[in-house]
Amino acid sequence: AQKITQTQPGMFVQEKEAVTLDCTYDTSDPSYGLFWYKQPSSGEMIFLIYQGSYDQQNATEGRYSLNFQKARKSANLVISASQLGDSAMYFCAMREGGSSNTGKLIFGQGTTLQVKP
Amino acid sequence: SAVISQKPSRDICQRGTSLTIQCQVDSQVTMMFWYRQQPGQSLTLIATANQGSEATYESGFVIDKFPISRPNLTFSTLTVSNMSPEDSSIYLCSSGKGKTVNTEAFFGQGTRLTVV
Repeated sequence: AQKITQTQPGMFVQEKEAVTLDCTYDTSDPSYGLFWYKQPSSGEMIFLIYQGSYDQQNATEGRYSLNFQKARKSANLVISASQLGDSAMYFCAMREGGSSNTGKLIFGQGTTLQVKP
Repeated sequence: SAVISQKPSRDICQRGTSLTIQCQVDSQVTMMFWYRQQPGQSLTLIATANQGSEATYESGFVIDKFPISRPNLTFSTLTVSNMSPEDSSIYLCSSGKGKTVNTEAFFGQGTRLTVV
């Protein structure tokens, strides 16, 4: 069965520094997608970045990059030049592809990031 | 990106009553998903809603408690029935973009429900 693990309940980072949020996953499906979301205190889920299992390069979106290490089954989110507005909960999620593609996402437990001024 | 409008954004309800949450997508999508996020927890899928068929519920969720409608390719509703304080959660709807499941999955703004 697929599983997503985020082992860091909370993280602190100094403003303007970079921070890495960890995510490991487990699946037997060779085709899958990995997602990162930001959830501020308002509760909305903001899509940040996507990595497909067959993508050759690590995904990047502005200050967000995904450090995808397929053999280690890890998909860590790197936020560069942290800003105070980055303080939020961050969720890693996975969607299996191929014949079992139902479109649903499985979420990790989340990591609370606090950016210090 | 797909725009998903969800309402209400929050509500405080009496136990024993029901609340219907609406989600409107700005384009036609094949599948829509409903998630629950209990306080301090991660998101858990309630059900998958395809247009023209019965919703598919995950283990632990039943249609009598969470009836779902999907009358067309841009709209869905989730009803939380006979509410108790344990139903206090954030409820979120989600979809991809377009008629096929692809690399994007977007969410509505969420409905923060408090049952008293």
